[in-house]
Amino acid sequence: QLVLTQSPSASASLGASVKLTCTLSSGHSSYAIAWHQQQPEKGPRYLMKLNSDGSHSKGDGIPDRFSGSSSGAERYLTISSLQSEDEADYYCQTWGTGILVFGGGTKLTVL
Amino acid sequence: QVQLVESGGGVVQPGGSLRLSCAASGFTFSSYGMHWVRQAPGKGLEWVAFIRYDGSNKYYADSVKGRFTISRDNSKNTLYLQMNSLRAEDTAVYYCAKDNYYDSSGPVDYWGQGTLVTVSS
Repeated sequence: QLVLTQSPSASASLGASVKLTCTLSSGHSSYAIAWHQQQPEKGPRYLMKLNSDGSHSKGDGIPDRFSGSSSGAERYLTISSLQSEDEADYYCQTWGTGILVFGGGTKLTVL
Repeated sequence: QVQLVESGGGVVQPGGSLRLSCAASGFTFSSYGMHWVRQAPGKGLEWVAFIRYDGSNKYYADSVKGRFTISRDNSKNTLYLQMNSLRAEDTAVYYCAKDNYYDSSGPVDYWGQGTLVTVSS
């Protein structure tokens, strides 16, 4: 079964960097994913598509501070030079034939 | 620029029906698959349904299968979700989402702002 696992919460200081993790279920380590950001009281926003080899393509207007990487079944989102507006929920998303699968989301707090 | 604007949400009694619409602009609507995704209050994102670019194939989450119907009108650049036999657990913000692929699911690359559906007596 295709499942994405995310830690419920993370925190980092203003100006620092943070690395969020999304883990693919067993047997699905070659899957690409997408990362989405959801700021408080807003709809989600697409950040990037991230492939198993770590290559990624970002959405329109996404700053260079956001980057992605991969290792085995792990997919990472790194945010550098954290700003207050980066405080949000971050969701990873993958797909199968006709379906979407979302991780449970990570709530990022900027201290 | 790509815009997805949902409408049709509201308060409905259990067992009732509602039809959501999503007006799309800024891209060739007829060339991309489309999804409905929902988010219950305080919860994460849950995929609801997908329709291929030409409407020839539709897929549903088990939680809504047999009750919800996704459709599209490519001449009007509009996506729909007909929701019947609504339950309290269907209460959520419903998002229209554009897929990056045309024929099967892929990364969602644009989202609407959402429309709230509340099922309550």
